[in-house]
Amino acid sequence: AQRVTQPEKLLSVFKGAPVELKCNYSYSGSPELFWYVQYSRQRLQLLLRHISRESIKGFTADLNKGETSFHLKKPFAQEEDSAMYYCALVYGNNRLAFGKGNQVVVIP
Amino acid sequence: DVKVTQSSRYLVKRTGEKVFLECVQDMDHENMFWYRQDPGLGLRLIYFSYDVKMKEKGDIPEGYSVSREKKERFSLILESASTNQTSMYLCASSSGLAGLQGEQYFGPGTRLTVT
Repeated sequence: AQRVTQPEKLLSVFKGAPVELKCNYSYSGSPELFWYVQYSRQRLQLLLRHISRESIKGFTADLNKGETSFHLKKPFAQEEDSAMYYCALVYGNNRLAFGKGNQVVVIP
Repeated sequence: DVKVTQSSRYLVKRTGEKVFLECVQDMDHENMFWYRQDPGLGLRLIYFSYDVKMKEKGDIPEGYSVSREKKERFSLILESASTNQTSMYLCASSSGLAGLQGEQYFGPGTRLTVT
């Protein structure tokens, strides 16, 4: 069965410090992974997808099939990065399996 | 710009009441979803619909039912609300086109409190 694991619930970082959110997955098929973000009092929205291999708001994520990981990284955290982040995996019939989320707090 | 709207932002209901949560999307998306979001548990899929009148159970369907009579509208029904259904409910939609799976658009959420 599919599974997405985000080990840390809360991550506090200082402004300007690097941030890395870990995501590991378990899936028997070819994985398609995403990061979603929810800022305070805003709706959940797509941040980036592994297929695009793009950088959004300074964030990047690389799919490592050998380690079954899709960690989210940003070299210099900004205060506006404070949010809840969810890693998600596509499986059968367009469904998404979400991790439990990481609350990121950027300390000024 | 995709818009997913939910009928209420906040709702307070009593135990045993029948509760209707409505969701409407304006992008002609085939797929619609209902999740509940709880601290420490992330998002859990309640029900999913991939077409009008079609539905599939998600991970936690017990105590819920859904209705999709029109493509743009997906309703979540709590037949007899219980206190353990107090939660944030999120609706989402996505295109059924290949390559767009996983790109879900979310509504603002309904915070339901059952007393």
